Amino acid sequence: DAKTTQPNSMESNEEEPVHLPCNHSTISGTDYIHWYRQLPSQGPEYVIHGLTSNVNNRMASLAIAEDRKSSTLILHRATLRDAAVYYCILSSTGTASKLTFGTGTRLQVTL
Amino acid sequence: DAGVTQSPTHLIKTRGQHVTLRCSPISGHKSVSWYQQVLGQGPQFIFQYYEKEERGRGNFPDRFSARQFPNYSSELNVNALLLGDSALYLCASSLTPDQDTQYFGPGTRLTVL
Repeated sequence: DAKTTQPNSMESNEEEPVHLPCNHSTISGTDYIHWYRQLPSQGPEYVIHGLTSNVNNRMASLAIAEDRKSSTLILHRATLRDAAVYYCILSSTGTASKLTFGTGTRLQVTL
Repeated sequence: DAGVTQSPTHLIKTRGQHVTLRCSPISGHKSVSWYQQVLGQGPQFIFQYYEKEERGRGNFPDRFSARQFPNYSSELNVNALLLGDSALYLCASSLTPDQDTQYFGPGTRLTVL
């Protein structure tokens, strides 16, 4: 499985935008980029996914580099409820339900 | 609508015992996956079931087994418990195995003494 690299932790002020980076230099052409987050004492929660084009939903935006070797999850206005561990995961067709999680990025949001 | 539910919430066992964890997927979801999350690490894939058949297995010993029932609920069984089996066990469901969005339950916290 192609691997991802994320910073261990990041900090943000509340109501500021947050850019969470992910490197995936060995990504293959059929790999989708998924982002999940895990709030304290909860199971992981789907955030967003994409293949080649940038994606937006009500939770976040996903910016994918042109060469697809990196991506950035963007939270437009961080709130205290966004404090969580964010996981960047690659999956190919048929493996979306066999996710390979790394250690993720722990996001701390302060007032 | 109810999300993925898991039972029990917490469980304490001793080494050598057997444990059964249960998962009810979201209504209509036919694919169930199990993950183990050790403290401080990301979840690790254990099993995936679809239409009552095993469709994937992670790198876990044969002490771990699972099954899926006709109503698509699932059980994870672990025999001969070791201290290292202490973890949060997560269940995730989706309509099909290839669906991009996995919905996770809150997990079962297993402590082995």
